[in-house]
Amino acid sequence: KQEVTQIPAALSVPEGENLVLNCSFTDSAIYNLQWFRQDPGKGLTSLLLIQSSQREQTSGRLNASLDKSSGRSTLYIAASQPGDSATYLCAVDPSGNDYKLSFGAGTTVTVRA
Amino acid sequence: DAGVTQSPTHLIKTRGQQVTLRCSPKSGHDTVSWYQQALGQGPQFIFQYYEEEERQRGNFPDRFSARQFPNYSSELNVNALLLGDSALYLCASSPARYGEQYFGPGTRLTVT
Repeated sequence: KQEVTQIPAALSVPEGENLVLNCSFTDSAIYNLQWFRQDPGKGLTSLLLIQSSQREQTSGRLNASLDKSSGRSTLYIAASQPGDSATYLCAVDPSGNDYKLSFGAGTTVTVRA
Repeated sequence: DAGVTQSPTHLIKTRGQQVTLRCSPKSGHDTVSWYQQALGQGPQFIFQYYEEEERQRGNFPDRFSARQFPNYSSELNVNALLLGDSALYLCASSPARYGEQYFGPGTRLTVT
């Protein structure tokens, strides 16, 4: 059974600081890994998707890396802004005939102005 | 493109009642999945449907059921509601088995 862990559970940084969010998973047989953003009480917004054959993916200030063999992914957010305050979730899409995404519990980020 | 839409936004029900939640996938997507998210936790998989067939079911009781229509929209039904069913219910759609998943805004269900 895939277990996904996100550490830390919460993070508070001053504006302008770079953010590093960690995600680890127990089963390396994955097809892709997706990072999402969730604002309080809202749905999930997809940020980045990394295929299992990729090492990293970038979009604007966001960069996500994937080390499948060690079961780790890291989301970097450069030059954080108060608008980046949200909960960030990672989700693993398994390979084979298992179709469900396995989510971590998320990291809640607060960027102080 | 409207993206994934869900209705209603909020719902308050009492224990023992039944509820139906609705989802319309993003244009061009044929696969719909349902997730339950309790407060402070990550979403938990309930169902995935493809071409009107249930492709996978998560670890939820038989009180939970769903269906998909020919236009790929979907309904999630929950019978005999319990207090523990209070959660945010999320619908996700994707264009194929391994496509990027897009989530709707969710339906907040409160059971009193």
